[in-house]
Amino acid sequence: EAQVTQNPRYLITVTGKKLTVTCSQNMNHEYMSWYRQDPGLGLRQIYYSMNVEVTDKGDVPEGYKVSRKEKRNFPLILESPSPNQTSLYFCASSALAEIYNEQFFGPGTRLTVL
Amino acid sequence: GQQVMQIPQYQHVQEGEDFTTYCNSSTTLSNIQWYKQRPGGHPVFLIQLVKSGEVKKQKRLTFQFGEAKKNSSLHITATQTTDVGTYFCAGRVLLNSGAGSYQLTFGKGTKLSVIP
Repeated sequence: EAQVTQNPRYLITVTGKKLTVTCSQNMNHEYMSWYRQDPGLGLRQIYYSMNVEVTDKGDVPEGYKVSRKEKRNFPLILESPSPNQTSLYFCASSALAEIYNEQFFGPGTRLTVL
Repeated sequence: GQQVMQIPQYQHVQEGEDFTTYCNSSTTLSNIQWYKQRPGGHPVFLIQLVKSGEVKKQKRLTFQFGEAKKNSSLHITATQTTDVGTYFCAGRVLLNSGAGSYQLTFGKGTKLSVIP
């Protein structure tokens, strides 16, 4: 089954404790992206990757890091989480084709930083 | 940078009434996509519009792409309780055709509530 998986689905942590949210897709997609969703603000892109070893900042990259060492994986790293990073996070992937490029979203990770 | 404005932010309708959400982009788009997010779920792709003036239908849903490729709308006829959720548009701008680089910007979404 074609899917994007994220782990963990829920996480409560404390300020300053490094954490990683994993994302994996099995569709051989070149493009992967991380979004955060907050009430009234919609989906805001954090980072994206066009292919292995190629990453770029989205609209709200501050406080986040990513890596793309393998095509299927795109982890999101919070080196020193702060309460303003409490949010719902989605990973997404798509082909880079001109037309068939719908985004497939993971189930989401709800993060609370105390 | 590219901005995509979506209105309204919220819409409450009686079951059976129609519903429309609108998106406007600050720049000309390569294409526009629409997604639906059910409460507690993740965004799910509905459709993509590519051509100027394009109109596509999915049962009770009608999607339109403006002639200038800067605006789009989603219209639902005779809403049902299963239509409840947040509808997002996402505008795609091609940055570098050679590298296949593009920017995808989501609108803030329209949250639809349907009163039975």
